[in-house]
Amino acid sequence: DAGVIQSPRHEVTEMGQEVTLRCKPISGHDYLFWYRQTMMRGLELLIYFNNNVPIDDSGMPEDRFSAKMPNASFSTLKIQPSEPRDSAVYFCASSKRSGQETQYFGPGTRLLVL
Amino acid sequence: EDQVTQSPEALRLQEGESSSLNCSYTVSGLRGLFWYRQDPGKGPEFLFTLYSAGEEKEKERLKATLTKKESFLHITAPKPEDSATYLCAVLSSGSARQLTFGSGTQLTVLP
Repeated sequence: DAGVIQSPRHEVTEMGQEVTLRCKPISGHDYLFWYRQTMMRGLELLIYFNNNVPIDDSGMPEDRFSAKMPNASFSTLKIQPSEPRDSAVYFCASSKRSGQETQYFGPGTRLLVL
Repeated sequence: EDQVTQSPEALRLQEGESSSLNCSYTVSGLRGLFWYRQDPGKGPEFLFTLYSAGEEKEKERLKATLTKKESFLHITAPKPEDSATYLCAVLSSGSARQLTFGSGTQLTVLP
């Protein structure tokens, strides 16, 4: 199995620009999670989906953040407009249905907003 | 609110020097406790899931144990390649699918 795939691995952009992060979950997994990791706050859950439907987006910091999952094999996290405080590593994770709740993480996207 | 506290924040060991990492938790009903390893520049890598007090799991030089208030990750005769940040996370009965992570223990094993 290829594991969770994320792209790009690194992104450098200027303040005010739109940023789109992409994720392909493990095939057969029903849940997809977006996390943000910083030195100050550690790993924070932003939003998660079940069967392509957003379930809880309470961790999304502001309206500048949005996430979609148009099908079972693809999700995006978009930041528009980006700000320097959005600089962090963004991880995508996926897991199977209830009873097998271990989350498997992708390699992350390191975002730097100048 | 679910809380996870890991200690120590950082640990330096000599190769072969066994030790333990601690994860203390406060949850409204534990559904699972997870240990992950994270190498610099990489995503967390799953190690273990523990579900009930008294449960133990082993993998190579690592053994995870669970009580009603805390979990330990025991590292026996560590090697330099065991150097990483070890993260603990809990899933509680009141949180659907949301994991609560601790801040991690950064382990360095010196040759």
